[in-house]
Amino acid sequence: NAGVTQTPKFRILKIGQSMTLQCTQDMNHNYMYWYRQDPGMGLKLIYYSVGAGITDKGEVPNGYNVSRSTTEDFPLRLELAAPSQTSVYFCATQRSGGKETQYFGPGTRLLVL
Amino acid sequence: DAKTTQPNSMESNEEEPVHLPCNHSTISGTDYIHWYRQLPSQGPEYVIHGLTSNVNNRMASLAIAEDRKSSTLILHRATLRDAAVYYCILISIIQGAQKLVFGQGTRLTINP
Repeated sequence: NAGVTQTPKFRILKIGQSMTLQCTQDMNHNYMYWYRQDPGMGLKLIYYSVGAGITDKGEVPNGYNVSRSTTEDFPLRLELAAPSQTSVYFCATQRSGGKETQYFGPGTRLLVL
Repeated sequence: DAKTTQPNSMESNEEEPVHLPCNHSTISGTDYIHWYRQLPSQGPEYVIHGLTSNVNNRMASLAIAEDRKSSTLILHRATLRDAAVYYCILISIIQGAQKLVFGQGTRLTINP
């Protein structure tokens, strides 16, 4: 099992460009999350999904969009990239809610210039 | 959101025990205490969690104060691979989904 896969590993964007960060899981987990981590800081929740077709905003959703058409995939879309979106992005999954463990992907490093 | 307070950094020697403290004075009765760690250039990984009683697993032990306002993660024999940032997190559940609120964590350095 691959677990949680994120692509790309690293990307440089120009201001105003758009891109989609991919997250795929093969654990059949219902819950999926997107976080961003700025240098030297903890993670902040961007969006989450409790199942296919259901998404909701986290702490810092502005400038991002998500969709969840399948259980396996939870892409994060950046429209009109800004330097403030330079960060490392982590996707995480969770079998069900409550106190279950979250499993994190390896992250995507994004640089907006 | 319930917040946690941890020391910014700690240092220990290889093969010695490490006690990582966490204060969470605003914890509510239903909040679980979770610990995650993040190795360099990796995503966080789960370490341990508890509610009221002390907990042990293959990675670590979690000691929770009787009033639940503080807890301590214990690594019994630290190795160089334990060097990481350790996050103490109180789980807040929103519509069944977890909302992990990460602080800055404790950066643990292990000396050979």
